[in-house]
Amino acid sequence: EAQVTQNPRYLITVTGKKLTVTCSQNMNHEYMSWYRQDPGLGLRQIYYSMNVEVTDKGDVPEGYKVSRKEKRNFPLILESPSPNQTSLYFCASSPEMGQASYEQYFGPGTRLTVT
Amino acid sequence: KQEVTQIPAALSVPEGENLVLNCSFTDSAIYNLQWFRQDPGKGLTSLLLIQSSQREQTSGRLNASLDKSSGRSTLYIAASQPGDSATYLCAVSPNYGQNFVFGPGTRLSVLP
Repeated sequence: EAQVTQNPRYLITVTGKKLTVTCSQNMNHEYMSWYRQDPGLGLRQIYYSMNVEVTDKGDVPEGYKVSRKEKRNFPLILESPSPNQTSLYFCASSPEMGQASYEQYFGPGTRLTVT
Repeated sequence: KQEVTQIPAALSVPEGENLVLNCSFTDSAIYNLQWFRQDPGKGLTSLLLIQSSQREQTSGRLNASLDKSSGRSTLYIAASQPGDSATYLCAVSPNYGQNFVFGPGTRLSVLP
């Protein structure tokens, strides 16, 4: 089954404790991205990757890191989480950018709480 | 910078009604527009993708139209059901950037 998976689905952590949220897709997609969703602010892009070893900042990259060492994986790293990073996080993938027929596929989301 | 808005923010209708959700975007230079459904606390489910060269797409009781020149898309839901209750999001893929831009969503409640 074609899908985007994220782990963990739920995470409660404390301020400053490094964490990684994994994202994997099995569709051989070139493009992957991370979003966060907050009430009243909607979905905002954190980082995106056009292909392996190519990543760039989205609209709200502060406090986050990513890497794209393999095509299928795009982990999101919070080196020192803070309470304002409490949010619902989504990973998404697409065959590539710049093609009208290509749609985005989303993972199930990771609900992160930082205390 | 591309901006996407959705009207109304929330909508409550009795079961069986036909309804229209609106999405507006400020820049017509897009590759496509995608409609999603999101249940509370859950992920996004893709409903329809309209390419920039297309005028509409249909899937079951859903019909989405696109008027790129005026920066508008509508999602028409026929014979609404309580199971249609969810938040509906539209997103555009600008052809000058590398990220998708989402609207804030319309929260739909269909009452039995």
